[in-house]
Amino acid sequence: GNSVTQMEGPVTLSEEAFLTINCTYTATGYPSLFWYVQYPGEGLQLLLKATKADDKGSNKGFEATYRKETTSFHLEKGSVQVSDSAVYFCALNMGPNAGNMLTFGGGTRLMVKP
Amino acid sequence: GAVVSQHPSRVICKSGTSVKIECRSLDFQATTMFWYRQFPKQSLMLMATSNEGSKATYEQGVEKDKFLINHASLTLSTLTVTSAHPEDSSFYICSASHLGSNIQYFGAGTRLSVL
Repeated sequence: GNSVTQMEGPVTLSEEAFLTINCTYTATGYPSLFWYVQYPGEGLQLLLKATKADDKGSNKGFEATYRKETTSFHLEKGSVQVSDSAVYFCALNMGPNAGNMLTFGGGTRLMVKP
Repeated sequence: GAVVSQHPSRVICKSGTSVKIECRSLDFQATTMFWYRQFPKQSLMLMATSNEGSKATYEQGVEKDKFLINHASLTLSTLTVTSAHPEDSSFYICSASHLGSNIQYFGAGTRLSVL
């Protein structure tokens, strides 16, 4: 079956540090890949996405590149802020033929200290 | 655009009562809606998928009679937790997508506490 594996948190960084959250996937076929962010007590917000190999998704300084050869979609940000503290979920979607269902990773909690 | 509203954000109820949670797509037609449950510090667990006008498809292990899902219109789906018990206490999150899109837009979640 399909699965997503994320690095376990929490990840604790100082403000302005470089962020990488690793995400790898297993899928039969060619999924679309997503990063969602969840702030405390809230639902999930779409952060960025990529739909095919070598696509780069980017938003709010965050980036992730769809790497088919390594089945990865690592999330990066050059300089984190305290406001980036949240839980980040990597997810894949196999498309309408699979009901457009999302398969989530376990989530990675990021804590940014001033 | 693509806003999903979920209500209530928090509910506390007595054991044995039923609780209804609403999920609305405010600016698009949600052909498919999803209901998730999230335990503390864990990922989201898909409970069921509902398409407008059809019966919901429940994931294995989710009790259909316990968690009633209705998706009667293209902008509204409801989850009713029937005869709630303390073990049903959790964070419930809905999401919605429109026809032809592989993006799910999430509501803000409902924290249910059953006393």
